Parts: sequence; C-alpha cells; structure tokens
Amino acid sequence: RKEVEQDPGPFNVPEGATVAFNCTYSNSASQSFFWYRQDCRKEPKLLMSVYSSGNEDGRFTAQLNRASQYISLLIRDSKLSDSATYLCVVKTRGTGGFKTIFGAGTRLFVKA
Amino acid sequence: DAMVIQNPRYQVTQFGKPVTLSCSQTLNHNVMYWYQQKSSQAPKLLFHYYDKDFNNEADTPDNFQSRRPNTSFCFLDIRSPGLGDAAMYLCATSSAGTDGTDTQYFGPGTRLTVL
Repeated sequence: RKEVEQDPGPFNVPEGATVAFNCTYSNSASQSFFWYRQDCRKEPKLLMSVYSSGNEDGRFTAQLNRASQYISLLIRDSKLSDSATYLCVVKTRGTGGFKTIFGAGTRLFVKA
Repeated sequence: DAMVIQNPRYQVTQFGKPVTLSCSQTLNHNVMYWYQQKSSQAPKLLFHYYDKDFNNEADTPDNFQSRRPNTSFCFLDIRSPGLGDAAMYLCATSSAGTDGTDTQYFGPGTRLTVL
C-alpha cells in the first residue's frame, strides 16, 4: 500500500460545479498535511495547509479526518483556471527531521 | 522576483555522462530539498539538507549525490545518468521549525533528458 494515495482522475467538470478530492495516508503518526497545485510542466505551488479543525480559503475548503486517515479538498464554483493537478502532501516526523511524501495527484479539467 | 532558481531549465546529457543541476534561493531558508518527478507521478524526495546536515532517503540510488556549499546554493550531481533518470528535478526550500508545518517553495525545475 502506498503511503499517500489519491484518485488519479481525471475529473471532468463544467464551470460552476463543485468537486471534491480525497487523499488517504497510511501512517497514523503523520503530523502535517497540505494541498499543492501543479499546472502542466510547472512546479508545485502551495494551495493550502490542512488543519485539524478544517479550513477554508475562498472557494476552497480542506478537511482532515485523523480517525479515518484522510484529507479532502472541496472546490466550489469551479473556474476554468482551476484546471490542474492537485497533490496531497503528508509530513511525518522521522530521524533527520520530517519526511515529506507527495501523492501522485488528482487531475482536474474544468470545461466551459 | 524569483525566490528559488534552478539552472539550467533544460539539460540534455548522454548516457553515463555526469551532470550537475544547481539550485539557489533568496529566501534564506534552512532546508533545501531535491525531488525527482517523472511524468504523471508524484514528486519523489531524493534527499534534503537541514542546514548542513544531509539526509538521504533510503531508496535514493548511489548515483545521486548532493552538495550544499552554503545556505543559498545546493547542487544535485548525477554521476552516471541512465535512461531511467530522465525526469523533472525539482528543488524546494523551507524554513523548518519543529512542528512540520513549514511550507515548501519550489523552483521551476530542471528537465533532464538522457540520450
């Protein structure tokens, strides 16, 4: 089992739709969680950190469920510019600091 | 203004010919990372420096080495590139504390082609 798993998609949605992605992680000791966005042939960029209480940033909402070991990302009112790959990132404390593991990403296509 | 700079953006090398990729940062971050990302795959951490302390991932091949001569610069050396090493190489930096909540900032990457 992979340490961080995501549904690869692609998710094809019309503009204005609401779409949700899930990401599961295997290490119950994982401490920090993030969503990154990666455009085609570009570097990943932080979308938002994920806090235990859940957090919202405009049209984006992130949730963490430690009991079930998953995090989610909800995008409301999808825009064409939201088309990208969304990477789930999990950090776990180990020797030499924190180990960072990326999921393989979920690809989103938003169509007019 | 670029904060994490990678050079070159595109690198072509021959099978077995050593290559060095460079990364520099203007953020004064204490941690620098090197990732390998192949098409449609997750970025895979190769190693990272926490200040001067080098941390190698267990499954990083010996073919990959790194140097960090100062806070601002970090190099990735591939001693004998194979066809399977063709990938995007991403450098990232962060200002790491003790709780793991630091954000990693990525450079634009170097796309390596091995002929």
